Amino acid sequence: IQLSQSPSSLSASVGDRVTITCRASQGIGSYLVWYQQEPGKVPKLLIYGASTLQSGVPSRFSGSGSGTDFTLTISSLQPEDFASYFCQQVDSYPLTFGGGTKVEIK
Amino acid sequence: EVQLLESGGGLVQPGGSLRLSCAASGFSFSTYAMTWVRQSPGKGVDWVWVSTISDSGGAKLYADSVKGRFTISRDNSKNTVYLQMDSLRAEDSAVFHCARYKMPTTIRGGIDFWGQGILVTVSS
Repeated sequence: IQLSQSPSSLSASVGDRVTITCRASQGIGSYLVWYQQEPGKVPKLLIYGASTLQSGVPSRFSGSGSGTDFTLTISSLQPEDFASYFCQQVDSYPLTFGGGTKVEIK
Repeated sequence: EVQLLESGGGLVQPGGSLRLSCAASGFSFSTYAMTWVRQSPGKGVDWVWVSTISDSGGAKLYADSVKGRFTISRDNSKNTVYLQMDSLRAEDSAVFHCARYKMPTTIRGGIDFWGQGILVTVSS
C-alpha cells in the first residue's frame, strides 16, 4: 500500500491553520497513524486510528478520514510545531510510510 | 521510563553481516510486538519498515527487500530484540531504529517509542 502525502513542504505563520493530506493507494479503514519529527530527533506519535489523539498531544492537532483519504490538521500553528510530519498505514504488511511534509516558518 | 538502546552497527563490506541488538527497559517487554525501521541519513523523513516480531516471537514479518537476508528474533528473558543482517548490500545503508508498538499484541496503535538509532554503512 503506497501512501502519498501532500504537500511535501509548506510555509506558514504562527497562528495559521495547517492541513496535511495522506492518500492511500487502497482502502485501509482507519488504520492510519500520524507522527511529528523534529530535526535530529526520533518521531513522536501524534494520532492513531486516524483520529485518536495520543496522550499528551495538544488538542490543536486533529486527524480525520477513513478508507483512502486522511487529513492532519493543526488548528493554530505554534512555534514548536515547525517540524516534519508523516503518516503510516498499519492496516497490512508491508507497513508503509508517507514521504513526509516539512512545515517551515513563513 | 521506556528506553530502547540499539547496538551492533558499523561499517561492513558488501556481502557481509551484522547483528543489531536492542535492549529494552521500563516496560513489560514480553507483552509488546517490536519492530525495526530504518531511515536513510540526510534524506528527511524517508522511513522504511524493515521487520516486526510478535510479543512471543512466534510471528515474524519482513519487508520484501530484506526477506531471506535479515532475521529478527527476541529474547524475552533478556528484554532484547535482535536483527541479524546477512548478505548486506550498499542500499541497506541507513540508520536502523528499534521501536515499540503502542498497544500490546497489536500494531494498530502505531509506534510510541523509538530508539535513537544505530548507523549501518555497507561499503567497500
